[in-house]
Formats: sequence, C-alpha cells, structure tokens
Amino acid sequence: DAGVIQSPRHEVTEMGQEVTLRCKLISGHNSLFWYRQTMMRGLELLIYFNNNVPIDDSGMPEDRFSAKMPNASFSTLKIQPSEPRDSAVYFCASPPSAGGLTDEQFFGPGTRLTVL
Amino acid sequence: DQQVKQNSPSLSVQEGRISILNCDYTNSMFDYFLWYKKYPAEGPTFLISISSIKDKNEDGRFTVFLNKSAKHLSLHIVPSQPGDSAVYFCAAIMTTDSWGKLQFGAGTQVVVTP
Repeated sequence: DAGVIQSPRHEVTEMGQEVTLRCKLISGHNSLFWYRQTMMRGLELLIYFNNNVPIDDSGMPEDRFSAKMPNASFSTLKIQPSEPRDSAVYFCASPPSAGGLTDEQFFGPGTRLTVL
Repeated sequence: DQQVKQNSPSLSVQEGRISILNCDYTNSMFDYFLWYKKYPAEGPTFLISISSIKDKNEDGRFTVFLNKSAKHLSLHIVPSQPGDSAVYFCAAIMTTDSWGKLQFGAGTQVVVTP
C-alpha cells in the first residue's frame, strides 16, 4: 500500500453526521477504486474512476453516498447523513500502472468508520 | 448476488502443514483470478493470480489451482507459517469487459498455530 494514503485511519461519528473519507495516490494513475469491507459481505466495490471520471457507481449503496475524483491523485468518498449500518472499513485502491484492470491493485490501509 | 464465494469463513492449521483455501464462482465469463492477503489494520495485498488458460500457477509456497468446469479455484500454502495468519480474499474479473471490475469473495480467516 506504499502508493495509496487514506485519511483518516479511524473515524467515529454519530448518526446523521456527514463523513468524508480521503484517498491520495502517491503517483497519479488512470484508475481508482473505493471498496467497503464488512464481515458479512467481504470486500464490495462501491465505485471506480477511470481518468477521473466515474465509470461504475452501481455499488454505491444509496444516494447518501457520493464520490469525487477532482484530479489524478486525489479522491473523496462522502456519506451524508451517516447511519450505523455504514460502519465498515473503507478502502481505496489503484492499479500500479496505467495498464488494465487485471493488474493487481494497491490498496490503501483503509479507514475504519464507526457510526454510533 | 455474490458471484465469488468463499464458503469457509475461517481455517485453522498447524505450522508446517498445508493450508487449502477454496473459492467458487458463478460467472463463467470470469477469465482471471486473484488472491489477496490482508493483515489486521492493513489493506489487502496481492498474492498470486491465474489466467483461465492455465490450471495451475505456483509461486514459492503458494499455488493456485483452477478448475474451470467446476468454477472452482483453490489456494494451497505449503508449508504454512505463522506469518501466513491473515484473511485471504479470492477475486475474479472478466478481462474482456472494458469496464470489468474485480469481484471479491467474503474472505477466509487463516490462523496458523505453532
């Protein structure tokens, strides 16, 4: 995960609050993925960007979730308003090169979100 | 609809013995498969992969087997070491789909005991 930085590492918030998760890529890549990990469903793809454009957001659970990628090295995932069932670990990932999606992805260390 | 399934949530194995992790998939269009390993408080890291044109790929102590007719793959770790204790995710992708995306299983927690 040397090339992907996520912040914050831990976030505890109350239901109804807005939460913003951040992902920074050390070097720009064409693609960026947001995943959510829960015990029941494992790793779920929420959304992915290619060339800063959202390509597939079918995994975003609800309209409360939104994501942006304003440039090739930065993305945000926002939840507004947050709910307890949003509690999970959120990962950002990016391929190591501009190659295809079969490249093994580099994952960030994740943000553990707890919504009380 | 989970297209990639890891039916064993956990596995305990003695150090030095073989660990066998299983993964099943439902989509016959998947043609590339990967295994990721995840330690606590870290992101998953790529471990090994296999293309559907092969039925086996080996990298050191790790071997992945693919049975396309059964839509099944497995990861063998031999010999298992305490440092192998982690969660292992199986993933699959359709490389023919321009916007193909990795589909992950729910993961298998491996504990290697001394």
